[in-house]
Amino acid sequence: AQKVTQAQTEISVVEKEDVTLDCVYETRDTTYYLFWYKQPPSGELVFLIRRNSFDEQNEISGRYSWNFQKSTSSFNFTITASQVVDSAVYFCALSELTSYDKVIFGPGTSLSVIP
Amino acid sequence: DSGVTQTPKHLITATGQRVTLRCSPRSGDLSVYWYQQSLDQGLQFLIQYYNGEERAKGNILERFSAQQFPDLHSELNLSSLELGDSALYFCASSKGLAGELFFGEGSRLTVL
Repeated sequence: AQKVTQAQTEISVVEKEDVTLDCVYETRDTTYYLFWYKQPPSGELVFLIRRNSFDEQNEISGRYSWNFQKSTSSFNFTITASQVVDSAVYFCALSELTSYDKVIFGPGTSLSVIP
Repeated sequence: DSGVTQTPKHLITATGQRVTLRCSPRSGDLSVYWYQQSLDQGLQFLIQYYNGEERAKGNILERFSAQQFPDLHSELNLSSLELGDSALYFCASSKGLAGELFFGEGSRLTVL
């Protein structure tokens, strides 16, 4: 069964610090998709990235970077030089090929960036 | 603005009542997903439709039902409401399968 674990419930960092949000997933499928979503205080969920299981190349987008490691079933998200606007709840999610209609979310990590 | 419209934004009702939440997906999106977000349960997948057909079911209670209409909008019906049903209900849409989800602003349901 598919499962997503985000062990860090809450994280606080001071502005300009780097922070890494952990995501560990479980799946029996060899083909699957991983996602990160951001939920700012306004409440709306915003898509950040999607990776498929065959693409282990790390990705960087501005201050955001993602480290996908199949060997450890992890898909970690790093924010470099954090800003107050990064304060939000971040969700990691998983969709398996055999049940790709079902996108399962982790419990989320609440990030507070303190000025 | 994600392009996904949910109504109503807020709803207050009493236990035992029935409510309907409505979702209009982004133009061109065939898939509609429903999620329930509560403080203690996180984001729970309820149900998903693709082009009018139910494709996947999650932890959806029997008191809840949903459908997707020919114009692709979807409705989530919640009946015999209990206090524990108070939550934020999100609708999301995507073009195909395993695609990025675009979420609406949610419908906040309060059951008193």
